[in-house]
Amino acid sequence: NAGVTQTPKFRVLKTGQSMTLLCAQDMNHEYMYWYRQDPGMGLRLIHYSVGEGTTAKGEVPDGYNVSRLKKQNFLLGLESAAPSQTSVYFCASSSWTSGGLSSYEQYFGPGTRLTVT
Amino acid sequence: AQSVTQLGSHVSVSEGALVLLRCNYSSSVPPYLFWYVQYPNQGLQLLLKYTSAATLVKGINDFEAEFKKSETSFHLTKPSAHMSDAAEYFCAVSDDRRMNAGNMLTFGGGTRLMVKP
Repeated sequence: NAGVTQTPKFRVLKTGQSMTLLCAQDMNHEYMYWYRQDPGMGLRLIHYSVGEGTTAKGEVPDGYNVSRLKKQNFLLGLESAAPSQTSVYFCASSSWTSGGLSSYEQYFGPGTRLTVT
Repeated sequence: AQSVTQLGSHVSVSEGALVLLRCNYSSSVPPYLFWYVQYPNQGLQLLLKYTSAATLVKGINDFEAEFKKSETSFHLTKPSAHMSDAAEYFCAVSDDRRMNAGNMLTFGGGTRLMVKP
């Protein structure tokens, strides 16, 4: 199993450009998440999804959109990039197992380093 | 609302010395608690987790943590630091056990561990 993969690993954008980050997981997890990591601020949740076709806002959703058309994929879009969106972006996934049991831990991808100039 | 405080954004120890990374949480219900490690330029990996079983939890690479309800703490320790332990460590809490709630985690700000030879 590849686990959680993210594409691309690095990207440089100019202010105002758009892009989409792709996250894929092969663990059949129901839940998926997008975080951003900035120095001294830990991880902050941007958007998340509890199932195919559903998304919800996290702590810092402004300037981002997401889609979950397939269970295994979770896309993060920046419509008009700003320098404040320079960050490292992490995708994660998690599962609610049958029988009402869940380990609650999240599994993380390797990250995408985005620079907006 | 739940929150996590990690005391000390940077901790430096000598190789072979005790490692102690502090984590305090607030939660309105009995929490599940996690420690993740992030090596340079990588995603987060789960070190250990507490999910209401034994209060002393053992993880990978000889790390362990003890859940102390009276102190609302979940400090991470390792008896003898190794150079390869140099990384950033994140404490996280989950206190929503509802199905389809999304297994949400709240992360602390992180502690960077430096190991001196």
